[in-house]
Amino acid sequence: DGGITQSPKYLFRKEGQNVTLSCEQNLNHDAMYWYRQDPGQGLRLIYYSQIVNDFQKGDIAEGYSVSREKKESFPLTVTSAQKNPTAFYLCASSTGVPEAFFGQGTRLTVV
Amino acid sequence: AQSVTQLGSHVSVSEGALVLLRCNYSSSVPPYLFWYVQYPNQGLQLLLKYTSAATLVKGINGFEAEFKKSETSFHLTKPSAHMSDAAEYFCAVNRMDSSYKLIFGSGTRLLVRP
Repeated sequence: DGGITQSPKYLFRKEGQNVTLSCEQNLNHDAMYWYRQDPGQGLRLIYYSQIVNDFQKGDIAEGYSVSREKKESFPLTVTSAQKNPTAFYLCASSTGVPEAFFGQGTRLTVV
Repeated sequence: AQSVTQLGSHVSVSEGALVLLRCNYSSSVPPYLFWYVQYPNQGLQLLLKYTSAATLVKGINGFEAEFKKSETSFHLTKPSAHMSDAAEYFCAVNRMDSSYKLIFGSGTRLLVRP
């Protein structure tokens, strides 16, 4: 079945550590997105990519980095510069239609 | 700038009662509008979307929404709530640029009482 796979489902980060969240899609979608979800704040855009080897910052990119080396993959790295990384992270994709398809999310907790 | 406002962070209804979740948007051009549902610790699932065709949009699980330009609203309704409808609901509008990035409201948690 086609879809978006995020891994891991739960992730724990120590202070000062970089961690990478995986997002893979087999929908053949061109565009991919990373959103951060905090209670009561909805979803906020971190980064997005409309084509391989190209990506742009969203509204809250500070402390995050991404790569888009393959159409299917859009990993997100949460760096030590992100001071409040505890949140639910959602990856999404779209192609030519005004809607997004979402993965099941990764819950990141700082310990 | 575009924005989405969802009135009421929590809505509680009895099973079998009408569900009404409110969404107002701000956009200088005709928008695309969406309602998504999220169950605990899961991703978002598209309920329905408005893309400038019919103003009354029917979605999955018996939900529907009506686009009212004069009121800049896109409220979500369901005639009879079911226990399984308990979830968080997000209204979203697409950004008016060449991408399909979405702007989300802050969400409304629907509680269904037996």
